[in-house]
Amino acid sequence: AQSVSQHNHHVILSEAASLELGCNYSYGGTVNLFWYVQYPGQHLQLLLKYFSGDPLVKGIKGFEAEFIKSKFSFNLRKPSVQWSDTAEYFCAVKENYKLSFGAGTTVTVRA
Amino acid sequence: DGGITQSPKYLFRKEGQNVTLSCEQNLNHDAMYWYRQDPGQGLRLIYYSQIVNDFQKGDIAEGYSVSREKKESFPLTVTSAQKNPTAFYLCASSIGLLGPERADTQYFGPGTRLTVL
Repeated sequence: AQSVSQHNHHVILSEAASLELGCNYSYGGTVNLFWYVQYPGQHLQLLLKYFSGDPLVKGIKGFEAEFIKSKFSFNLRKPSVQWSDTAEYFCAVKENYKLSFGAGTTVTVRA
Repeated sequence: DGGITQSPKYLFRKEGQNVTLSCEQNLNHDAMYWYRQDPGQGLRLIYYSQIVNDFQKGDIAEGYSVSREKKESFPLTVTSAQKNPTAFYLCASSIGLLGPERADTQYFGPGTRLTVL
């Protein structure tokens, strides 16, 4: 079964700081990769996804993620965070039909 | 508006009682899913359904049951056999339950928080 690891449980940073959230998965075959975000009181929503092609994927709200196949990683980045980026972020890996989620990283951005 | 609705938002249950969580979608999606979210554990798949009248167990199906009589509806019953039912339950849907060669994003509902008293 697929295992998805998110390296940080809770990240606290100031506005304008850069953000990088790590995600590693265990399966070495063909996978589809996702980052979902859950803002306080809101639905879980898709931030970005990778299926094929350019390993650098751009998503909404200035986020991007890089797929490094040799490292089984799909790290999420944002050069300059805002207070509104405070949320919980989930990495997910789709193998065949199944979507496996990491435990999530809570990001708190201080004004 | 297109989307996924879940009801109720909060639900309280006494031990030993069965309870049913509602999930409805008007996205015309074939596939639907139920997840359980616990703090520090991410989302875990309970059941999924590819098409009407068909559903399959996920990773943690014990103590749960589902039905899929209509395309737009996928109710989840938490039975008294579920040993630790207090959790946040999320329903999702996608266009179809496809293999790795297709791009298939899951869309999530607002969730139901179940508390067993």
